[in-house]
Amino acid sequence: QKEVEQDPGPLSVPEGAIVSLNCTYSNSAFQYFMWYRQYSRKGPELLMYTYSSGNKEDGRFTAQVDKSSKYISLFIRDSQPSDSATYLCAMSEGKSTFGDGTTLTVKP
Amino acid sequence: SQTIHQWPATLVQPVGSPLSLECTVEGTSNPNLYWYRQAAGRGLQLLFYSVGIGQISSEVPQNLSASRPQDRQFILSSKKLLLSDSGFYLCAGERASGNTIYFGEGSWLTVV
Repeated sequence: QKEVEQDPGPLSVPEGAIVSLNCTYSNSAFQYFMWYRQYSRKGPELLMYTYSSGNKEDGRFTAQVDKSSKYISLFIRDSQPSDSATYLCAMSEGKSTFGDGTTLTVKP
Repeated sequence: SQTIHQWPATLVQPVGSPLSLECTVEGTSNPNLYWYRQAAGRGLQLLFYSVGIGQISSEVPQNLSASRPQDRQFILSSKKLLLSDSGFYLCAGERASGNTIYFGEGSWLTVV
């Protein structure tokens, strides 16, 4: 069993939809939780970074961490075609572990 | 934040030829450095990581090697490439005391 499991997708939504991307994990030592966005043929870029449980909002993006359930989510409001990318979750307790990514397509 | 420079961006190499991918880091000293490989539609596979000059840990046995000749320079090499070495290679770095990794733009390697 992998330490980090990410909903595999792919996910296709119409422009303007609310998107939910999710990961579960098994290592209770994880303290730092990240979301990366990766456009086709590019390196991943850090999108959101949170420490411990709770919510963090940045514009149209909200990262949510529930340590009691070992579950994290990334919500995208008013999704745009430019949000089409692969999203990777990552978690760290000194060493980072990545999910395999969910590919999102937002259709105009 | 850090900036990771990685080159070349794309290369096509014949089987049996050598490989050298280079990576440099700006914005931090004594970073932890990483080489990952990402197969098409797949997750990130950690190949090597380094916590300091000359200190290299290998995560998987393979046809590749890594070196760190300077604090902010990390090199991925092979003496003889195999077809199975084709893929997308990513250099990444983080502050020694940090918990977030920053990636370079990646290098696409096709072995023919």
